[in-house]
Amino acid sequence: DVQLVESGGGLVQPGGSLRLSCAASGLTFSSTWMSWVRQAPGKGLEWVANIRQDGSDKYYVDSVRGRFTISRDNAKNALYLQMDSLRVEDTAVYYCARDNSYVDHWGQGTLVTVSS
Amino acid sequence: EIVMTQSPATLSVSPGERATLSCRASQSVGSNLAWYRQKPGQAPRLFIYSASTRATGIPARFSGGGSGTEFTLTISSLQSEDFAVYYCQQYNKWPQTFGQGTKVEVK
Repeated sequence: DVQLVESGGGLVQPGGSLRLSCAASGLTFSSTWMSWVRQAPGKGLEWVANIRQDGSDKYYVDSVRGRFTISRDNAKNALYLQMDSLRVEDTAVYYCARDNSYVDHWGQGTLVTVSS
Repeated sequence: EIVMTQSPATLSVSPGERATLSCRASQSVGSNLAWYRQKPGQAPRLFIYSASTRATGIPARFSGGGSGTEFTLTISSLQSEDFAVYYCQQYNKWPQTFGQGTKVEVK
């Protein structure tokens, strides 16, 4: 079975940084695009960023471009999201997702709260 | 970016009845559309992709239709586990975008 397990969420002050990790198993990690999708409390879903199999291409939604960096380590079957200059509006559950253009596997999510 | 609009926001249906959810795209997305179901406190789950193909393990009471800018998700006979929020998502152009969701509640 495919398992995606996120970690690294927590409470951070506005302007701070946080690094999320996602440990993947049960899939050929190096052969698949991966994404981060977020969901603000009580709100809908928003695609944040995705990354090609070998890390050579990365795409970001406008609201995070220049502040967030997606990366991966295929040797460790791991996906990362470095989040800098965090804003209150970045508060959300962040999901690691296998990106088949649609998402066919989701992690359980990790909560990021940006508040003073 | 492509804006996805779902209607209605809330659908009240009795168990065993039929439910039809709508999703409209601000420009054509072809058949590059997916549907997800999300229960409270859980991650979304893929139900439909390519507008009408059921994902692995999804029962036949779920059917998707449409192309271009107009799409539907039909649940032929609602079961207790089907009362949840449903999202549509286009993946024709980056950024992939989701609708705001339709909550299916017990009437």
